[in-house]
Amino acid sequence: AQKVTQAQTEISVVEKEDVTLDCVYETRDTTYYLFWYKQPPSGELVFLIRRNSFDEQNEISGRYSWNFQKSTSSFNFTITASQVVDSAVYFCALSEAKSYNTDKLIFGTGTRLQVFP
Amino acid sequence: EAGVTQFPSHSVIEKGQTVTLRCDPISGHDNLYWYRRVMGKEIKFLLHFVKESKQDESGMPNNRFLAERTGGTYSTLKVQPAELEDSGVYFCASSQDRLEQYFGPGTRLTVT
Repeated sequence: AQKVTQAQTEISVVEKEDVTLDCVYETRDTTYYLFWYKQPPSGELVFLIRRNSFDEQNEISGRYSWNFQKSTSSFNFTITASQVVDSAVYFCALSEAKSYNTDKLIFGTGTRLQVFP
Repeated sequence: EAGVTQFPSHSVIEKGQTVTLRCDPISGHDNLYWYRRVMGKEIKFLLHFVKESKQDESGMPNNRFLAERTGGTYSTLKVQPAELEDSGVYFCASSQDRLEQYFGPGTRLTVT
């Protein structure tokens, strides 16, 4: 069965600190996709990144970086020099790939990040 | 380009009543998904439309839930009759290529 675990329910940091959000997944599929979404106070889920199971290269986008390790089934998300605007709930998600297209998303329970000034 | 919109943003109903949630996907997106987050738990998949056809409805909890997408544009999700455990946030998402799903702001449903 597919499952995503985000063990950190809530994290609080002070502005400019680095913070890492953990994500561990389970799947029997050899081909799958991993995602991170951000849910700001306005409520909508904002897409951050998609990574397929064949691409273990880490990715950096500005202050955001993602570390994908198949050996530990983890897809962790790091925010460098956090800012108050980063305060949100962050969801990790998994999807199996069918015909090279993704389908339904399996979400973790989310991690609430609070960044204090 | 307008994003995914959902109506209403919040609905409070009594147990046994009927509620209809609406989702307008991004124009041109054939794929439309419904998800639900019950308080404190993970966001769970309900169903997936491709145009007006139900591609996958494996997540629908029971026959009190009815989803439609007439004409392949907007979709409605009806709960009849509503139960207390149906309370939560209902999200809609749409996708053009099924690789990236764009989510709406959700409808918060409270059943009292």
